[in-house]
Amino acid sequence: GDSVTQMEGPVTLSEEAFLTINCTYTATGYPSLFWYVQYPGEGLQLLLKATKADDKGSNKGFEATYRKETTSFHLEKGSVQVSDSAVYFCALIVSGNTGKLIFGQGTTLQVKP
Amino acid sequence: GAVVSQHPSWVICKSGTSVKIECRSLDFQATTMFWYRQFPKQSLMLMATSNEGSKATYEQGVEKDKFLINHASLTLSTLTVTSAHPEDSSFYICSARAAGPQETQYFGPGTRLLVL
Repeated sequence: GDSVTQMEGPVTLSEEAFLTINCTYTATGYPSLFWYVQYPGEGLQLLLKATKADDKGSNKGFEATYRKETTSFHLEKGSVQVSDSAVYFCALIVSGNTGKLIFGQGTTLQVKP
Repeated sequence: GAVVSQHPSWVICKSGTSVKIECRSLDFQATTMFWYRQFPKQSLMLMATSNEGSKATYEQGVEKDKFLINHASLTLSTLTVTSAHPEDSSFYICSARAAGPQETQYFGPGTRLLVL
């Protein structure tokens, strides 16, 4: 079935370090891909999305490129801040289904000053 | 982005009582709303999908008589946890979607339920 796999966390970085959180997926159709962020005690916020192959989603300095050949959607940021500390979820919606989001397990990012 | 609110943000109740959680889309009409449950340090588990004016579709293993969902309008869905027990304590999150299945889902801030 459809699934999303994220790198295990927690990821601990120093401020201004480069961030990569890996995400790969398995889907039978042509999914739309998403990154959501969850700050402590809060719900999820959409960070970025890409709806077709080679699309690049970007927001707040974060980027992810939809790679169909490697079935990946890795999240990157060139210089992280303490305020980026949160849990990041990769997710997909497969075309033609009911629109249910399939989430990865989440990756906790902790940025230290 | 679109705004989804939840009320209450947290609730403590006694075992055996019922608790209602509201999910509202504030600046768009949500044809579909989703209810999730999240345990500490875990991902979100989809409980049910509700479409305005029709019965909710529950995921396997979710008791529909335990978790009553009503989607009475295009801006409001409610989740009622009936006869709550301590094992129902969790973080409940709703999301709302404007139109077709590929549309973005926007999430509420969540409701933390503690059943004593």
